[in-house]
Amino acid sequence: KAGVTQTPRYLIKTRGQQVTLSCSPISGHRSVSWYQQTPGQGLQFLFEYFSETQRNKGNFPGRFSGRQFSNSRSEMNVSTLELGDSALYLCASSPERNQPQHFGDGTRLSIL
Amino acid sequence: QKEVEQNSGPLSVPEGAIASLNCTYSDRGSQSFFWYRQYSGKSPELIMFIYSNGDKEDGRFTAQLNKASQYVSLLIRDSQPSDSATYLCAVLPSGGSYIPTFGRGTSLIVHP
Repeated sequence: KAGVTQTPRYLIKTRGQQVTLSCSPISGHRSVSWYQQTPGQGLQFLFEYFSETQRNKGNFPGRFSGRQFSNSRSEMNVSTLELGDSALYLCASSPERNQPQHFGDGTRLSIL
Repeated sequence: QKEVEQNSGPLSVPEGAIASLNCTYSDRGSQSFFWYRQYSGKSPELIMFIYSNGDKEDGRFTAQLNKASQYVSLLIRDSQPSDSATYLCAVLPSGGSYIPTFGRGTSLIVHP
């Protein structure tokens, strides 16, 4: 069974640009969550999606947005990129909302 | 604010020894507990989950849960240098939230 697939793996952008990250969950998993991980802040929750609806949102500015499609795939968008957005962005999926999450390899975003 | 606390370490143990990693949590109503292993530069990997008081064993790993004292532990028997990683504890809080709270992780070093 394939794991959680995130694309792209690496991304370099400049300040002010926008970026879209993609996540394909494990087959049959309906819940998708996004996290930002930095050395200083650890794992920070961004969003949770279930049945194409955003169920929870973390404490991030409105520049961070996302969506989930009918096949459970999810995308995350960050607009007007700032230097502080440099981080590893992780997608995690689970069969149902209260079950263990499995992480993808992440997208490492660097802002110049 | 529901918190999950872990000693950042590093915890250094010799090869073949038992490594004991601890995690305390503040939400007394929490029901689900997870341990993740994260190698440097990689994403977290789910290694254990436990829901009931007591011990749960899987190979060299044992998770121990004590809800009365609000702590969960991970024991690694016969530690190997390949076990050297950061171990993240995650707790699913009570109150209908499906967003796990992650600890900052404990760095484990197994030296030959």
